Amino acid sequence: AQTVTQSQPEMSVQEAETVTLSCTYDTSESDYYLFWYKQPPSRQMILVIRQEAYKQQNATENRFSVNFQKAAKSFSLKISDSQLGDAAMYFCAYRSRNTGTASKLTFGTGTRLQVTL
Amino acid sequence: ETGVTQTPRHLVMGMTNKKSLKCEQHLGHNAMYWYKQSAKKPLELMFVYNFKEQTENNSVPSRFSPECPNSSHLFLHLHTLQPEDSALYLCASSQARGVFTEAFFGQGTRLTVV
Repeated sequence: AQTVTQSQPEMSVQEAETVTLSCTYDTSESDYYLFWYKQPPSRQMILVIRQEAYKQQNATENRFSVNFQKAAKSFSLKISDSQLGDAAMYFCAYRSRNTGTASKLTFGTGTRLQVTL
Repeated sequence: ETGVTQTPRHLVMGMTNKKSLKCEQHLGHNAMYWYKQSAKKPLELMFVYNFKEQTENNSVPSRFSPECPNSSHLFLHLHTLQPEDSALYLCASSQARGVFTEAFFGQGTRLTVV
């Protein structure tokens, strides 16, 4: 079974600064997807970024980028130019590529990000 | 505006009550899911439906009973719950097959069992 670990329960960043959220995972599979989801106070989980394990290039989405280290099973999220609207819970998630069930996601426990002025 | 709508947003029920949670998606997806989110624990997958057929029951107690009458609607029927069942229940939908079949989530139902 796969596991996802987020070792930072809370992080804080000043507006306009950069912050990195950590995620490690454990799997015996070679082909899978990794995701970062954001859950603001509205409670809706929103996909921030995704990474395919077979791609060496790190995914980027505007101010959000990942550092994917497959050998180390590490998948960190970097938020640049942080904004007040980035304050939320961030969840790292894993999905096997070989499942017929699309979103059988395995989640970490989350990191609460605070953004200060 | 979310493509996945859950009602009610909040629910307080006694241990002897029967209630239902509703989820509706307007995204044309054919897979729907129930997740349970408890404080300081990872989200737990409860049930999966593909094309209206239940394909996974993740060892969920029988006091939780899902129903999927069509690809757009998903219910979670609740009866004789326990206080430890208090949590945020999230519904999600996705395409069942394909490369980028990421899940889209609703805003959840905050359930309190008293």
